[in-house]
Amino acid sequence: DTAVSQTPKYLVTQMGNDKSIKCEQNLGHDTMYWYKQDSKKFLKIMFSYNNKELIINETVPNRFSPKSPDKAHLNLHINSLELGDSAVYFCASSQSDRGMNTEAFFGQGTRLTVV
Amino acid sequence: AQSVSQHNHHVILSEAASLELGCNYSYGGTVNLFWYVQYPGQHLQLLLKYFSGDPLVKGIKGFEAEFIKSKFSFNLRKPSVQWSDTAEYFCAVNASSNTGKLIFGQGTTLQVKP
Repeated sequence: DTAVSQTPKYLVTQMGNDKSIKCEQNLGHDTMYWYKQDSKKFLKIMFSYNNKELIINETVPNRFSPKSPDKAHLNLHINSLELGDSAVYFCASSQSDRGMNTEAFFGQGTRLTVV
Repeated sequence: AQSVSQHNHHVILSEAASLELGCNYSYGGTVNLFWYVQYPGQHLQLLLKYFSGDPLVKGIKGFEAEFIKSKFSFNLRKPSVQWSDTAEYFCAVNASSNTGKLIFGQGTTLQVKP
């Protein structure tokens, strides 16, 4: 009974393609995130949604577009994939409480390889 | 800008040795502090967290961390490591002005030799 699940786990695609990664959480949390982990394992936030509203949008190329159809889902669509997009993408969720959040629960990650 | 610094990038220990991983952050306000662990090929799992109260927090698998506000530090400790502790360890900070946003340190690779 996975709390935060992402699909696919692995994604290999060619440069220039468009791809999507899906994320779902069954924890009842109101906030969801996308983080990118680069080849040096450094983790950086990309986006955050609270109750389907975009609240964090870090400096990310506009080829990346998150979509949150409801509180339990946050998908990431990437257009015109580039070699530098190769990374592990982690979805996470947490519950907000008066401006602070509980700990984030992470999905198992999607390893994206652009060739 | 807020940042988190982990001093040890790669630590190699023998089983039963004691562990201390350093973490310092730069933010003057209220913070929530976390240590996450990432076992090879897996997702991040929470080891422990500090929100308020007792600055010495205990987590899973025998880990603990001490929040020292005056030093802006949140070091992770374990008295006796096991081979199964081999993993990547991340310190993270959630500052009150950033709803839910975690700022991660660069991670420490711990290798425990049997």
